[in-house]
Amino acid sequence: NAGVTQTPKFQVLKTGQSMTLQCAQDMNHNSMYWYRQDPGMGLRLIYYSASEGTTDKGEVPNGYNVSRLNKREFSLRLESAAPSQTSVYFCASRTTGVNNQPQHFGDGTRLSIL
Amino acid sequence: AQTVTQSQPEMSVQEAETVTLSCTYDTSESDYYLFWYKQPPSRQMILVIRQEAYKQQNATENRFSVNFQKAAKSFSLKISDSQLGDAAMYFCAYRSAGTSGTYKYIFGTGTRLKVLA
Repeated sequence: NAGVTQTPKFQVLKTGQSMTLQCAQDMNHNSMYWYRQDPGMGLRLIYYSASEGTTDKGEVPNGYNVSRLNKREFSLRLESAAPSQTSVYFCASRTTGVNNQPQHFGDGTRLSIL
Repeated sequence: AQTVTQSQPEMSVQEAETVTLSCTYDTSESDYYLFWYKQPPSRQMILVIRQEAYKQQNATENRFSVNFQKAAKSFSLKISDSQLGDAAMYFCAYRSAGTSGTYKYIFGTGTRLKVLA
């Protein structure tokens, strides 16, 4: 009963390096989301994908790109990492068609940019 | 645009006592959903309780209940008989109604709850 799986759990990068965070869900959910969590800021939406083949910017998309590879997978890419991108990143998914369903979250990826 | 405000960065409660966490929101929409999520030190985000705005009855889940005041745009979480395992960061979240995945969640900044033995 995996739910939402994020890899890796921890990563340290140097400024300028690139990296892709992976997210996969096995709940047949249509919608997937990427958030970043910073102290005192709560969760802020980076990008989301309402359905396979579509992606849209959230609140803080600059410096990131995403790919909805298929229904299960939604990856987040940092092309040139910056120290300001040091954060904890959460992937979430949600079924659509039923209004009151919540998002299901992965365990997070702690990313440090030196 | 919708906003969610949690004005209490940190709260403490004695084990077995009751605590209330506050959340207010701003929206011009009439139909929406509200959620409380718990984030323990393990960093998982765990759904605690949800409330549909069109329902007048306050949601309850075991020791967790909400006080939903739609006119005041207030959505507080009450934890009864607090347990050590309740210690966590609690986030209030808002989502517009609708079935589309384009309806985004808006999260508050969180309240850290400490439970004292």
